[in-house]
Amino acid sequence: EDQVTQSPEALRLQEGESSSLNCSYTVSGLRGLFWYRQDPGKGPEFLFTLYSAGEEKEKERLKATLTKKESFLHITAPKPEDSATYLCAVPRAGENSGTYKYIFGTGTRLKVLA
Amino acid sequence: DAGITQSPRHKVTETGTPVTLRCHQTENHRYMYWYRQDPGHGLRLIHYSYGVKDTDKGEVSDGYSVSRSKTEDFLLTLESATSSQTSVYFCAISDVNSGNTIYFGEGSWLTVV
Repeated sequence: EDQVTQSPEALRLQEGESSSLNCSYTVSGLRGLFWYRQDPGKGPEFLFTLYSAGEEKEKERLKATLTKKESFLHITAPKPEDSATYLCAVPRAGENSGTYKYIFGTGTRLKVLA
Repeated sequence: DAGITQSPRHKVTETGTPVTLRCHQTENHRYMYWYRQDPGHGLRLIHYSYGVKDTDKGEVSDGYSVSRSKTEDFLLTLESATSSQTSVYFCAISDVNSGNTIYFGEGSWLTVV
């Protein structure tokens, strides 16, 4: 069964304390792995797409990496404004050719303390 | 900004009443989705559309129906709302031209009392 699992569920960091979030997946034929940030009361905001093992993407203090079984979101020297829930997702082929259903993990709630 | 507007943004309704949520997009994207988000379950796909009048079920479609009569509008209907349908509903779009990245609207908060 196609599945996406994120860990940890919640993470508290001091400002400047670097860490990593994990997204492990099982899906046949990876067509991309997507990372999102979600602030309370808002819709998820797109961060990165990774398509193949070994690929890396960076944006400010965030860096996403991908292996054949999992992805990591590394947060370097985080600031309080990085506090949010981080979600990952993979697309799974739908029943109709060319369509996709996106499967999401339950997210990691990150809190960065000043 | 993916040009997605959801309405209403907040609604309280009574058990047994029908409810329709509207998703409107301005950029002619082919694919549209309805998700619900609940604590402990994350985002779960209700229905999606891959063109006008072309829709398919997601993993939690029971109790929901959808319609897409125009490219820009995707409607989600709760035929007879139940308390278990209290949730946050997100509309989303994707397109081959954007690398199949899925973009979300701001959400509709629905409370069924």
